[in-house]
Amino acid sequence: AQSVTQPDIHITVSEGASLELRCNYSYGATPYLFWYVQSPGQGLQLLLKYFSGDTLVQGIKGFEAEFKRSQSSFNLRKPSVHWSDAAEYFCAVGYNNNDMRFGAGTRLTVKP
Amino acid sequence: DAGVIQSPRHEVTEMGQEVTLRCKPISGHNSLFWYRQTMMRGLELLIYFNNNVPIDDSGMPEDRFSAKMPNASFSTLKIQPSEPRDSAVYFCASSLSGTLQYFGPGTRLLVL
Repeated sequence: AQSVTQPDIHITVSEGASLELRCNYSYGATPYLFWYVQSPGQGLQLLLKYFSGDTLVQGIKGFEAEFKRSQSSFNLRKPSVHWSDAAEYFCAVGYNNNDMRFGAGTRLTVKP
Repeated sequence: DAGVIQSPRHEVTEMGQEVTLRCKPISGHNSLFWYRQTMMRGLELLIYFNNNVPIDDSGMPEDRFSAKMPNASFSTLKIQPSEPRDSAVYFCASSLSGTLQYFGPGTRLLVL
């Protein structure tokens, strides 16, 4: 059965510092991979997705993620965090767009 | 585009009462999803429809929950009778089959 693990429940970084949020998955085949962001009181917004092809994926708001098959990982990165990036981040995997499983989420706090 | 519309945004009710959550998907989308988000269980898929037909309702917690999609532009999620453990944020999402899911702002439900 497919599953998603986000090992870090809460991460705090200083504004301007780099960020990496971890995501590991368990899957029988190459999955579809997604990162969503949820601001307080808001719905989920898609940051980026991986279906196939180039394993380094660029998303919105300066985020990128890299699919590493050997490590079953899809970590999210940003070179310089802004205060507005404070939110909850969810990694998701699926057979297709109709069958996604979400990780537990990582809450990002940005220090001034 | 108005995006996915959910109503109400907040609902407070008493145990035993019927609760109806509403969703209007993005025009032209033919898949609709209901999710529940809680601190304990994270984001869970409850049910999804394709062309107004329920495809997978394995995530529906129990018979107290029911969902309908009478037409392509409207869906309801009903809880009858409601219980305190149903308190959560309920999200609706829609997609054009085979593409990305777009989430609504959610309905925050509190059952007293």
